[in-house]
Amino acid sequence: QSALTQPASVSGSPGQSITISCTGTSSDVGRYNVVSWYRQYPGKAPKLIIYEVYKRPSGVSNRFSGSKSANTASLTISGLQAEDEADYYCCSYAPTSTWVFGGGTKLTVL
Amino acid sequence: QVTLRESGPALVKPTQTLTLTCSFSGFSLNTGGIFVSWIRQPPGKALEWLALIDWDDKKYYNTSLKTRLTISKDTSKNQVVLTMTNMAPVDTATFYCARFDDNGDFFDYWGQGILVTVSS
Repeated sequence: QSALTQPASVSGSPGQSITISCTGTSSDVGRYNVVSWYRQYPGKAPKLIIYEVYKRPSGVSNRFSGSKSANTASLTISGLQAEDEADYYCCSYAPTSTWVFGGGTKLTVL
Repeated sequence: QVTLRESGPALVKPTQTLTLTCSFSGFSLNTGGIFVSWIRQPPGKALEWLALIDWDDKKYYNTSLKTRLTISKDTSKNQVVLTMTNMAPVDTATFYCARFDDNGDFFDYWGQGILVTVSS
């Protein structure tokens, strides 16, 4: 049950778009359309922002979007804002009813 | 309003067993499709899924930690308990409990977390 692979950090300027990748295997990300994304501010609990690859919970900005191709899921944030600066984690269902998180990506808004 | 709160010791000694309690409100673990999970996060590191229990008392564990983990529930008290045996300094982490909804397969509500330090 290895962690999903995310870039350690990404950055962008206000107004720009950034994409965070989340690479798994054909046994988790590639096999199931059950990828979710979470945003975490320092010292706070994670918050759900995307589920089932591309769906947004009620109240989450449409600046957040998700997609998946083969074994890689992606989170795109458009129109970057200062408040988007946080850590982002992907999560996927894995075989035998387990769950695996990504290593996390620190987003810096320049 | 859904809330979850973790409680337990802030400090445990190496080799000891950790017992954490998740007390929740605003939902019932008798409801089909609702689970409670434990997730941990070492300081400055990534989230790691630990265990999950469902309304039907089915239990699921991180395969790497399975031999050390036990999850259980007390539906009448709205509580879920996690025990982790043979604690070591590398197990120092913030432990979160979270509600899992399989109608979407996501962790939608999280507790504030409890930092557990393993040190002699």
